[in-house]
Amino acid sequence: EVHLVESGGVVVQPGGSLRLSCAASGFIFDDYAMNWVRQAPGKALEWVSLINWDGGATYYADSVKGRFTISRDNNKNSLFLDMNSLRPEDTAFYYCAKDTASSGFNWFDSWGQGTLVTVSS
Amino acid sequence: QSVLTQPPSVSGAPGQRVTISCTGSSSNIGAGYDIHWYQQLPGTAPKLLIFGNKNRPAGVPGRFSGSKSGTSASLAITGLQAEDEAYYYCQSYDISLSAHVVFGGGTKLTVL
Repeated sequence: EVHLVESGGVVVQPGGSLRLSCAASGFIFDDYAMNWVRQAPGKALEWVSLINWDGGATYYADSVKGRFTISRDNNKNSLFLDMNSLRPEDTAFYYCAKDTASSGFNWFDSWGQGTLVTVSS
Repeated sequence: QSVLTQPPSVSGAPGQRVTISCTGSSSNIGAGYDIHWYQQLPGTAPKLLIFGNKNRPAGVPGRFSGSKSGTSASLAITGLQAEDEAYYYCQSYDISLSAHVVFGGGTKLTVL
């Protein structure tokens, strides 16, 4: 059974930095692209970033480009999101989601439970 | 404003049939890209409901079905049950955006 567990969500001040992690199990991690999707409280889902199976290709939503960096460690079955220059509008639950293609841009067949990032002074 | 447009809310009585629309454009649904649907129950993570326009993952009841035509797609739920009350999101690929992955704004289904 696929299991995705996010961690790292905390309260951080505007302008601060944070690293989110997602521990994966139950599937061959380096066979699939991975995504981060966020959801502000009471709002819709917003795709944030995608990394392909080997980390050689990354993509970002315009809202986070230049501030967030997605990465993965296939030896440790882990996905990361480094978040810099955080803004109040980045406040959201952040979900890691497993893609169904190695290069990404398919559907997301498994999601973690989410971790809450709050950007506030 | 989402690239994919969904009605904010729909409702139906138990046993009835409801549909949720997802309207796109020539740069996403109309360009032939697939639509996928997710169900988000209160306080939980989204769950894949329909992939590739009309396919159900294992474990999803046959009451849920998807279709696509032109620049729009629809999710239909028949035999509505109380546990179907949730938010529903469509997702696709858009060639006009640098990011490419797009979600609809979500639809709240209320079972009366």
